[in-house]
Amino acid sequence: EDKVVQSPLSLVVHEGDTVTLNCSYEVTNFRSLLWYKQEKKAPTFLFMLTSSGIEKKSGRLSSILDKKELFSILNITATQTGDSAVYLCAVDTAGGTSYGKLTFGQGTILTVHP
Amino acid sequence: NAGVMQNPRHLVRRRGQEARLRCSPMKGHSHVYWYRQLPEEGLKFMVYLQKENIIDESGMPKERFSAEFPKEGPSILRIQQVVRGDSAAYFCASSPWRGQGTEAFFGQGTRLTVV
Repeated sequence: EDKVVQSPLSLVVHEGDTVTLNCSYEVTNFRSLLWYKQEKKAPTFLFMLTSSGIEKKSGRLSSILDKKELFSILNITATQTGDSAVYLCAVDTAGGTSYGKLTFGQGTILTVHP
Repeated sequence: NAGVMQNPRHLVRRRGQEARLRCSPMKGHSHVYWYRQLPEEGLKFMVYLQKENIIDESGMPKERFSAEFPKEGPSILRIQQVVRGDSAAYFCASSPWRGQGTEAFFGQGTRLTVV
């Protein structure tokens, strides 16, 4: 069975701290790995990673994928209270010629205190 | 360009009733995915549809659940004879084409409560 595991499950930090969220996976078919941010509503897309070792960056967020060791990390520097959310890691595990079938991890709940 | 629209946002049904959840994909998107998020659990894939076709329903429970995406109109997830265990948030996502490098955009979800 395809598996995506995130750690830690929850994290409490203070504004200005840097955090690293982990995602490991064990799947039959790998198309891509995606990170989403969920704040009590629709998950919003952060990154899609398909190649090992290439860092993707967006402002204070960055992510990288290691396809040999089967994991990804999401870094958030200089955290702000607005970063408080559940961060979801998902792997596109569609088989054949399909895409878009996402297997999600359980999420990391990040709480940033002022 | 409106995002993925789901309605209703909240739905309360008594045990044994039917629940119909609607999803209108983003304009230009012809691929729809349904996911379920049970309390304290992650999102779980249910079904992948294109217009008038079910592509992958490997995550759908074998009984009581069905999905469609007609040529005209929204995608519908139907749950017949609901039970308490069906209480969950149901999310729909859409993407414009089937190919690598295309992320799915999610709707706000429908929170189903079975009483």
